[in-house]
Amino acid sequence: QKEVEQNSGPLSVPEGAIASLNCTYSDRGSQSFFWYRQYSGKSPELIMSIYSNGDKEDGRFTAQLNKASQYVSLLIRDSQPSDSATYLCAVVTSGTYKYIFGTGTRLKVLA
Amino acid sequence: NAGVTQTPKFQVLKTGQSMTLQCAQDMNHNSMYWYRQDPGMGLRLIYYSASEGTTDKGEVPNGYNVSRLNKREFSLRLESAAPSQTSVYFCASSQGAQETQYFGPGTRLLVL
Repeated sequence: QKEVEQNSGPLSVPEGAIASLNCTYSDRGSQSFFWYRQYSGKSPELIMSIYSNGDKEDGRFTAQLNKASQYVSLLIRDSQPSDSATYLCAVVTSGTYKYIFGTGTRLKVLA
Repeated sequence: NAGVTQTPKFQVLKTGQSMTLQCAQDMNHNSMYWYRQDPGMGLRLIYYSASEGTTDKGEVPNGYNVSRLNKREFSLRLESAAPSQTSVYFCASSQGAQETQYFGPGTRLLVL
């Protein structure tokens, strides 16, 4: 089992729709969770961080964390073509405090 | 405030050649990291430095060495390049191990 798993996609949604991206992790003791966005040929940039169970909203983005079920998700409301990118989930493991990235989900927002 | 900078942006090497990738950050961060990114593999940690004076192996350290020259700079060396090391290399930094990482623009390396 991979430590951090994401569906590679592509996930295609129409412009204006809600995009839902999911990530599961194996280390039950993990405490820090991040979503990064990476445009083709560019470096990853932070979208959201979340540390507590529940929802965290920032503009059109909402991160959701459920530690009991070991998943973290990212919702993008009113999706725009400019949101088309690969979204990387990252989890910091307990003990060694290493960042583990998922392989990313490619999102396509269709105009 | 440049953030994280990397040099060079592109490099072509022949098998067996050596080179050093340079990384510097101006955010006074304690921790620095080197990743490689290959299609379908995501970001894989090569080496990291939790603080000045310390370095540790990540997931894929074989064929690489690192130096944390000072708090700002963290270099990655390929002693004898192999085609399997063809990849995009990213340097990142963070204030602490559990905090947001900030990435440099990357170095595209092709080993022939």
